[in-house]
Formats: sequence, C-alpha cells, structure tokens
Amino acid sequence: NAGVTQTPKFQVLKTGQSMTLQCAQDMNHEYMSWYRQDPGMGLRLIHYSVGAGITDQGEVPNGYNVSRSTTEDFPLRLLSAAPSQTSVYFCASRRPQAMNTEAFFGQGTRLTVV
Amino acid sequence: GDSVTQMEGPVTLSEEACLTINCTYTATGYPSLFWYVQYPGEGLQLLLKATKADDKGSNKGFEATYRKETTSFHLEKGSVQVSDSAVYFCALRGLYNNNDMRFGAGTRLTVKP
Repeated sequence: NAGVTQTPKFQVLKTGQSMTLQCAQDMNHEYMSWYRQDPGMGLRLIHYSVGAGITDQGEVPNGYNVSRSTTEDFPLRLLSAAPSQTSVYFCASRRPQAMNTEAFFGQGTRLTVV
Repeated sequence: GDSVTQMEGPVTLSEEACLTINCTYTATGYPSLFWYVQYPGEGLQLLLKATKADDKGSNKGFEATYRKETTSFHLEKGSVQVSDSAVYFCALRGLYNNNDMRFGAGTRLTVKP
C-alpha cells in the first residue's frame, strides 16, 4: 500500500538553485495537487492536475512549474529558489468527480532555502 | 471565495479531558466538510467527513456535525488521550474552484499524561 510517495523528505537549497520535488501515486487517481504548508496559514494550493497532460494554477503558483505526463507522476519544479519558498510541501491525489471523496497525502518534503 | 476559519491554538489538555476545536466556513452552496489530522513527521490523514447538512462524521472517538444554519463543523472528543496529540485541520470542498479543497490554519493539540 504505497499510496502517495514524495521524495526527497528534506532538502536544503541555496537561493537561485533549481530543483524538482517528486510525487508518485499508485491508486490510479486522476486528480493530483501540490500544496505548501506554512505556520498559521494551513495548506495552500500551488498547482493541480485533473489528468495526464492537463495542469492548472492554484492559489500560489508563482515560482513553481508542474507537468503531468503520466497518471502516476506529478513533479513540482522550483525554477529559482527563494527564501520565501521555505516551507513544507505536500502532494495529494484523489478521484476527481465526487465532492465527498477524500484526498490522500504524501508524507511531505521539508524545503529550506538559504 | 470559499474559506475556512478554525480555532487558533495551540491547545494543551490533560488526558481524559474534553476537546472542542471550532471550525466555521464560508462557501457557496453545500460543500463537503472534512477534518484531517497530521501526526508529527507525517502527512495529513482523513479523520472524518460530512457531506450534507446535519450529517455527523465520527471516527476514533472524534465527531463533528455539519451545521448549515451556523456554517460550522466543530470537532469534539469526550476524553482525549496522549496519542491524540497532533495538528488538526478543518477543510471544505465546494462546488467551484474545480472542487479544490480549502483548509483552515490548523490547530495543534498537545495532550499531557
């Protein structure tokens, strides 16, 4: 029962560096999303995808890119890391259509930008 | 847009005390409501949910009732345990925003023996 797998769990970047956070799910869920979690602000949506080849912006998309070439994978790219991107990042997946379906979350990636 | 307001923490209780974490929401129509729990070092897990007015979600001794008239979904437990120490998030999924979820800020609960 792998569910949603995120890698790496921890990462330290220097300002200006780029990197990719990986996310994979084995539940054949069409809907996948990336959130960032900051103290006192809950989870905020960065980008989401309703299926392979389709992505869209969420609430806080600036500085991040995504792609969805397969149903299973949904990587998040930081183009030029900034200290404001220091956060905990969560990937989630779910079946898309019904409003009452739960989202399944990965264990998170703690990113520090220095 | 849709939003969730949740009681600020942190909350510290003694074992066997009663717990209430307040959650109110703003949404168009009839959203589905959720409580997620995050244990230290882990991702979020669904604790309970309710999909229509007056529904009561329950799990692991926790319960919450969907109150349309007060737009609330307060989390309650009659007797907390040390193992309940975690961060609790109230969330909703509405009709718009591509059925995206909106989360509250989270409430950290610490239960002391």
